[in-house]
Amino acid sequence: EPEVTQTPSHQVTQMGQEVILRCVPISNHLYFYWYRQILGQKVEFLVSFYNNEISEKSEIFDDQFSVERPDGSNFTLKIRSTKLEDSAMYFCASSEDSLNTEAFFGQGTRLTVV
Amino acid sequence: AQSVTQLDSQVPVFEEAPVELRCNYSSSVSVYLFWYVQYPNQGLQLLLKYLSGSTLVKGINGFEAEFNKSQTSFHLRKPSVHISDTAEYFCAVSRRGNKLVFGAGTILRVKS
Repeated sequence: EPEVTQTPSHQVTQMGQEVILRCVPISNHLYFYWYRQILGQKVEFLVSFYNNEISEKSEIFDDQFSVERPDGSNFTLKIRSTKLEDSAMYFCASSEDSLNTEAFFGQGTRLTVV
Repeated sequence: AQSVTQLDSQVPVFEEAPVELRCNYSSSVSVYLFWYVQYPNQGLQLLLKYLSGSTLVKGINGFEAEFNKSQTSFHLRKPSVHISDTAEYFCAVSRRGNKLVFGAGTILRVKS
């Protein structure tokens, strides 16, 4: 069964460092998303991406964040200068259709900023 | 804007008993409704979804949910739970083509 793959599963980084979280969406999907879940809180939307540009972003997704699809398979989330409050589980998701009738999620990357 | 309220943060239940996990949503427009499950140390897996049509939706692992427009609810049910159903369950809503908005989650603990 096709699946969304995220690497690494766990990353520890020092405050102020840049991190790149990687995702390989399902191959025929065209719509990509990042969500995050701070420990004990709701899963929150960060950004959606289609046709090589951001289609929607949340208030959380400030200038410290960026997304990129550098080749035909990877979809990355970069945090330029990490803060303690960026510690969370980050989920990548992809969807085949524009109506987002079913989003498939990866296993998540647990980011710990120390 | 859409919002989702999951009324119970934890639901303990004995094995083979029925369970209902409650979800209410608010939205001024028509929405899609979803239930996702997260097993320990795993990602989010879609259990079932309501897009349109029949208000009773059947999903994987014997779960079902009923869309009630007048009560703006989408409660999840299973007639007989197993130990393996122990997980966190998330209700989510989206407008057509838009992001998912999640509830806070309900931890289902199945006891033997």
